[in-house]
Amino acid sequence: SQKIEQNSEALNIQEGKTATLTCNYTNYSPAYLQWYRQDPGRGPVFLLLIRENEKEKRKERLKVTFDTTLKQSLFHITASQPADSATYLCALASSSASKIIFGSGTRLSIRP
Amino acid sequence: DTAVSQTPKYLVTQMGNDKSIKCEQNLGHDTMYWYKQDSKKFLKIMFSYNNKELIINETVPNRFSPKSPDKAHLNLHINSLELGDSAVYFCASSQDSGGGSTDTQYFGPGTRLTVL
Repeated sequence: SQKIEQNSEALNIQEGKTATLTCNYTNYSPAYLQWYRQDPGRGPVFLLLIRENEKEKRKERLKVTFDTTLKQSLFHITASQPADSATYLCALASSSASKIIFGSGTRLSIRP
Repeated sequence: DTAVSQTPKYLVTQMGNDKSIKCEQNLGHDTMYWYKQDSKKFLKIMFSYNNKELIINETVPNRFSPKSPDKAHLNLHINSLELGDSAVYFCASSQDSGGGSTDTQYFGPGTRLTVL
């Protein structure tokens, strides 16, 4: 069955370091992958989308990579700040599917 | 100028009751969704509508009935509430005009439903 796993339930890092979150999937051929941020008590907010034919995508301090051979996406936040603390969700969609499947998220905490 | 709004934000009710959650989007999107997020934070799609037409209906108990009076509104009615229905319910919309559900999702603030 299709499965999406995000590397860890929680990740704690020091301010200023680069945070790296992992999203792995099995039994799936996504056409693209999205990353969302979710703050407590709020709905997820879209951050970045990367397509299957793209290796890397950047937006300000955010970088996403997509390796369809490894079936993995990495989400990086450089120069992390306490304000980056949130839960980050990856989501996959295939060209044939009519829905997006979400991972369970990684709760990122940036300590000052 | 909220993009996707849903009411109420909190809903506490007794088992066996019937309740509704309302959702509206002012983004001009064609597709709307209901998601359920459980205590383990898994976000699972329940339904999607494209231009008032049901597109996705996951294996959700038929106690859950969505209704879309127009493409800007998608309400969720739940009959005979059970303890296991306690969760946060998110409404979302996307531009996707092709009937699929793979575009960027714009989420509402969520409705925390607690069934006692």
